[in-house]
Amino acid sequence: GQQVMQIPQYQHVQEGEDFTTYCNSSTTLSNIQWYKQRPGGHPVFLIQLVKSGEVKKQKRLTFQFGEAKKNSSLHITATQTTDVGTYFCAGPQTGTASKLTFGTGTRLQVTL
Amino acid sequence: DGGITQSPKYLFRKEGQNVTLSCEQNLNHDAMYWYRQDPGQGLRLIYYSQIVNDFQKGDIAEGYSVSREKKESFPLTVTSAQKNPTAFYLCASSSNPGTGGLYEQYFGPGTRLTVT
Repeated sequence: GQQVMQIPQYQHVQEGEDFTTYCNSSTTLSNIQWYKQRPGGHPVFLIQLVKSGEVKKQKRLTFQFGEAKKNSSLHITATQTTDVGTYFCAGPQTGTASKLTFGTGTRLQVTL
Repeated sequence: DGGITQSPKYLFRKEGQNVTLSCEQNLNHDAMYWYRQDPGQGLRLIYYSQIVNDFQKGDIAEGYSVSREKKESFPLTVTSAQKNPTAFYLCASSSNPGTGGLYEQYFGPGTRLTVT
């Protein structure tokens, strides 16, 4: 079945350092979504990318969708302690737009 | 104040008992979903429903059952047949993709179920 993997599983950075998580799908995706889950909380939608090669920015966060629409990345510039949490990518399951397959997630820890 | 509510936040049950988790939304969304999250893991889809009185199995439906009698409500029953029921259960809702708009999923706060 469709698999969505993320690397790294975990990253610990000092505040002010940059952070990148990579998302790779076993199948081509029509779109990709990113979610953030704070410790003890629930996932919150961040953004959706649809077009091949698309790049979107939200303040210090930069999201990219690969040309082949099988991979994506999230880059955070100058991390802050408020960035702590687990970042998930998610793409529609093959053959349906109704079901999402979530990636394995990358847990980010930021210390002062 | 629109959103999704799940209750209770924490639930404790003895092995062999069925337990029903509540999920209510007032976002007027057609689609609703149940996910299971184990410690340090991603989200796995249990069941989903795109419309009232209809639902489909997700990737890990065994040992679970759902109903969708009202648009606002999508309760999940964890039956005694579920071998490892202890987990964090998340309910979500979204517009149906057919509407042509974004269909990001909105999540409730979750229920942490512990079965001993």
